[in-house]
Amino acid sequence: SQTIHQWPATLVQPVGSPLSLECTVEGTSNPNLYWYRQAAGRGLQLLFYSVGIGQISSEVPQNLSASRPQDRQFILSSKKLLLSDSGFYLCAWRGDSLNQPQHFGDGTRLSIL
Amino acid sequence: AQSVAQPEDQVNVAEGNPLTVKCTYSVSGNPYLFWYVQYPNRGLQFLLKYITGDNLVKGSYGFEAEFNKSQTSFHLKKPSALVSDSALYFCAVSDLGNTNAGKSTFGDGTTLTVKP
Repeated sequence: SQTIHQWPATLVQPVGSPLSLECTVEGTSNPNLYWYRQAAGRGLQLLFYSVGIGQISSEVPQNLSASRPQDRQFILSSKKLLLSDSGFYLCAWRGDSLNQPQHFGDGTRLSIL
Repeated sequence: AQSVAQPEDQVNVAEGNPLTVKCTYSVSGNPYLFWYVQYPNRGLQFLLKYITGDNLVKGSYGFEAEFNKSQTSFHLKKPSALVSDSALYFCAVSDLGNTNAGKSTFGDGTTLTVKP
């Protein structure tokens, strides 16, 4: 069966520090991969998505970047965190068909001090 | 462009009563529609989907949803609510007519509270 792993679960970082959040998927190949941010338990903001290795689409201009160095690995990064980067970050994967649901990791709660 | 609206931020029901969480959508082509549930500090979990065929689809934990093409709606329902159903619910749509095929659009979520 397929699983998705996201870590760390919680993270507290000072303003201006770098960030690296990692997401890996097991049990499937060539998944579509997604990074979302969720503020205050409300709606999801799509940050990046990837349909293959090295292919990244950015949805919102911001302080973050994403990379997909391997088929089932998706990394969210920042060189210098801002207070506004605080939130709940969710990684998700989906198969190659639009009629399939997305499968989410359990998220990383990021607090910027 | 595709969009999803969940008109109610909050739905409150008593345990044992039926529940409905509303969702309307807008797409240029034919929609694929999904419902997800999120418990505190967890990721979203898939409940059910409409692809084609019967307008009433059944999913996990006794939930069902009715697709209504004329009203562009996909409301989530359950005949008898449980306290454990209390959570945040998201409706999502993928648009077959959308060439940007990687993405789904999510609603803003509805918080369901079931009181004993």
